Amino acid sequence: DVKVTQSSRYLVKRTGEKVFLECVQDMDHENMFWYRQDPGLGLRLIYFSYDVKMKEKGDIPEGYSVSREKKERFSLILESASTNQTSMYLCASRQPGDYGYTFGSGTRLTVV
Amino acid sequence: GNSVTQMEGPVTLSEEAFLTINCTYTATGYPSLFWYVQYPGEGLQLLLKATKADDKGSNKGFEATYRKETTSFHLEKGSVQVSDSAVYFCAPDTGFQKLVFGTGTRLLVSP
Repeated sequence: DVKVTQSSRYLVKRTGEKVFLECVQDMDHENMFWYRQDPGLGLRLIYFSYDVKMKEKGDIPEGYSVSREKKERFSLILESASTNQTSMYLCASRQPGDYGYTFGSGTRLTVV
Repeated sequence: GNSVTQMEGPVTLSEEAFLTINCTYTATGYPSLFWYVQYPGEGLQLLLKATKADDKGSNKGFEATYRKETTSFHLEKGSVQVSDSAVYFCAPDTGFQKLVFGTGTRLLVSP
């Protein structure tokens, strides 16, 4: 069964910490995405990547960066965590064509 | 840019009732259309899709028809179950390998 794995289900970090959220897919997909999900706001795209070492800003990239050194791994980095980054973070991957995303289970991040 | 509007929830139904969740979108051209479902504490799962006008996607008793004229992709199920309680997201394809998601509609089904 195809899989997208996010390293943590729940994470609690302090304000100002550097936070790494890891996502690994085993489907050899080229496209990978990071979203955050907040009540009433739905899913908002943070960053995405079409290929190794490529990254593109989504709708809300401020305060975040990403890294894609290998095809299967796409990391989201919070350079200096703030309380307004408390959210559910969802990683997804997709192969080109009329296929949907495959999502990970999500990481619920709380910044205190 | 592309956008999607879903009906606000929660939608509260009794078991075996008929379900409709409305979805309309704005997009350039004729995008592929998707419905996703999110069960409590989980990520999103693909429920069904349609890739061209008049296509009907179906899965697990859910159906949605791609209506080009009204730019809609409403989700329907003839008889809901308690296990269908979840949040449902409509998502058109922007054409750049990105999907744009609605705010989601929570469905609550009571026995």
